[in-house]
Amino acid sequence: ETGVTQTPRHLVMGMTNKKSLKCEQHLGHNAMYWYKQSAKKPLELMFVYSLEERVENNSVPSRFSPECPNSSHLFLHLHTLQPEDSALYLCASSRRQGSAGELFFGEGSRLTVL
Amino acid sequence: AQKITQTQPGMFVQEKEAVTLDCTYDTSDQSYGLFWYKQPSSGEMIFLIYQGSYDEQNATEGRYSLNFQKARKSANLVISASQLGDSAMYFCAMREPRSYNTDKLIFGTGTRLQVFP
Repeated sequence: ETGVTQTPRHLVMGMTNKKSLKCEQHLGHNAMYWYKQSAKKPLELMFVYSLEERVENNSVPSRFSPECPNSSHLFLHLHTLQPEDSALYLCASSRRQGSAGELFFGEGSRLTVL
Repeated sequence: AQKITQTQPGMFVQEKEAVTLDCTYDTSDQSYGLFWYKQPSSGEMIFLIYQGSYDEQNATEGRYSLNFQKARKSANLVISASQLGDSAMYFCAMREPRSYNTDKLIFGTGTRLQVFP
């Protein structure tokens, strides 16, 4: 069982659709993150959750709505997206105690908005 | 504001040779952490190596070593004895000061490494 699992791996949606990305971590970590990776740009931190509480929202448009029902699951709800939202969305987790602070990533969800 | 700069969009190296991937950073914090990640075509970001700002010795992990020059604010990754499987994107990252029990990393734009036989 992999540490951080993301589904779906690929998603194509129209601008009026509503879809969700799912992330699950099996590492017992207490913080989870959403990053956006666009071509030729650094990874952009979107949302941070610590112990299921959102602690950061980096000026992300409201068409992206995160949800963290428990410390193992993280969702990114998508609605009325724009073509420029097409990107690889990466989920990550980390543990506070006894670590250097490294993030453990999933394989990402490749989103294409038509 | 913190910033990571990777000036090499792409690098080529022959199998079994060593290669250095450059990374410079900018921060006003005294305590920080530096990371390198590998991203193969599958998309997953794989943690390779970590260097703390107070660590006096350069970090090493198998074939990976981090050449940390604090005064120059550089944290170059050295891969020894390159293998074909090392072909991937490589990202340098820096941890912002910890808060709320979270570890927020900022990333550079990456370097694409291609290893040829």
